[in-house]
Amino acid sequence: NAGVTQTPKFRVLKTGQSMTLLCAQDMNHEYMYWYRQDPGMGLRLIHYSVGEGTTAKGEVPDGYNVSRLKKQNFLLGLESAAPSQTSVYFCASSYSRGRALNYGYTFGSGTRLTVV
Amino acid sequence: SQQGEEDPQALSIQEGENATMNCSYKTSINNLQWYRQNSGRGLVHLILIRSNEREKHSGRLRVTLDTSKKSSSLLITASRAADTASYFCVVTGGTSYGKLTFGQGTILTVHP
Repeated sequence: NAGVTQTPKFRVLKTGQSMTLLCAQDMNHEYMYWYRQDPGMGLRLIHYSVGEGTTAKGEVPDGYNVSRLKKQNFLLGLESAAPSQTSVYFCASSYSRGRALNYGYTFGSGTRLTVV
Repeated sequence: SQQGEEDPQALSIQEGENATMNCSYKTSINNLQWYRQNSGRGLVHLILIRSNEREKHSGRLRVTLDTSKKSSSLLITASRAADTASYFCVVTGGTSYGKLTFGQGTILTVHP
């Protein structure tokens, strides 16, 4: 049982380049999330999904797009990377509302992205 | 969306001492969760307490919840150097499902 797997773990991009971060979970969780964490700050929610084929904006969605074509995967895309998007990105997943009463969220180990 | 606010921002103790950190929130909740983040790593779920519970234990962890004061505390007994990490509380409930948001956390340093 791998939990939540993020790929890649590290990436350096040039300004204007695009990339996709992949999050995969094997726990049959309905909800998935993308966060970014900057130095000295807590996690900020970028986008989230409450089910296959559905996505919604979080606190800081600008400059990012997401897709959830399969229940187990949640993709985060940067169409034109900017230095302000240098951050550590975390994916998380959880059960939906009912079961979430008794279970926490599972996080991936993060993707460290640098945009130069 | 709902958010927990941790206090203090930083806590420094000696190995073997107990560490207590607090969390406050503003709205009604279904549950409150505590997470640990070691430097540069992902968050690890520590413990969850439901709104109808007042206290919960897990190993060296003790969590209390006071819904009338909208606050929670996390006690780590007999701290170890390996407990050095940032600790976050998050709350879920109402319309906030799917939008788990975080505060700044408490940075705990345990000196050997």
